[in-house]
Amino acid sequence: EPEVTQTPSHQVTQMGQEVILRCVPISNHLYFYWYRQILGQKVEFLVSFYNNEISEKSEIFDDQFSVERPDGSNFTLKIRSTKLEDSAMYFCASSEWGLQGGALYEQYFGPGTRLTVT
Amino acid sequence: SQQGEEDPQALSIQEGENATMNCSYKTSINNLQWYRQNSGRGLVHLILIRSNEREKHSGRLRVTLDTSKKSSSLLITASRAADTASYFCATGYNTDKLIFGTGTRLQVFP
Repeated sequence: EPEVTQTPSHQVTQMGQEVILRCVPISNHLYFYWYRQILGQKVEFLVSFYNNEISEKSEIFDDQFSVERPDGSNFTLKIRSTKLEDSAMYFCASSEWGLQGGALYEQYFGPGTRLTVT
Repeated sequence: SQQGEEDPQALSIQEGENATMNCSYKTSINNLQWYRQNSGRGLVHLILIRSNEREKHSGRLRVTLDTSKKSSSLLITASRAADTASYFCATGYNTDKLIFGTGTRLQVFP
């Protein structure tokens, strides 16, 4: 069964460093997302991406964050200068179709990257 | 205010029993999705129910949706120890963004 994959599974970085989290969405999916979950808290939406551009972003997704689909398979989240409060589990998700296609479809999540900022 | 609130926050049952978890939300929705998360792991999609649907089944899972009460329930029948996990509802409304609830921690004892 196709699944979303993410690398690395764990990332430890120092405050102020740049990190890139990588995701390979399900191959026929067109919509891509990043969410995060701070330990013990709710899963929070960060950004959605469709047709090579951001379709929606949350207040959390400030200028320190960026997303890219560098090729036909990868989807990345970059944090330019990490802060302690960026420590969280970051989930990538994808869906076959989305709102711009007229319907909301199931979003399938990857296993997550645990980011620890020290 | 919280969009999604599950109750109970924690539920402990014996194998073979049924588990019912509830989700309440505050705004309108297009759909509601249920996910399972094993401790420290990823989110596994369980079922999606659209706002014009009242009930859906998938294996041992049964989901109901009452838009007049802004609530949904997830029933797991004949539970197994492997069902031990946290269960979340997530809602979407005119956006691709999902808003997650606080989750119910289910413990199934063998």
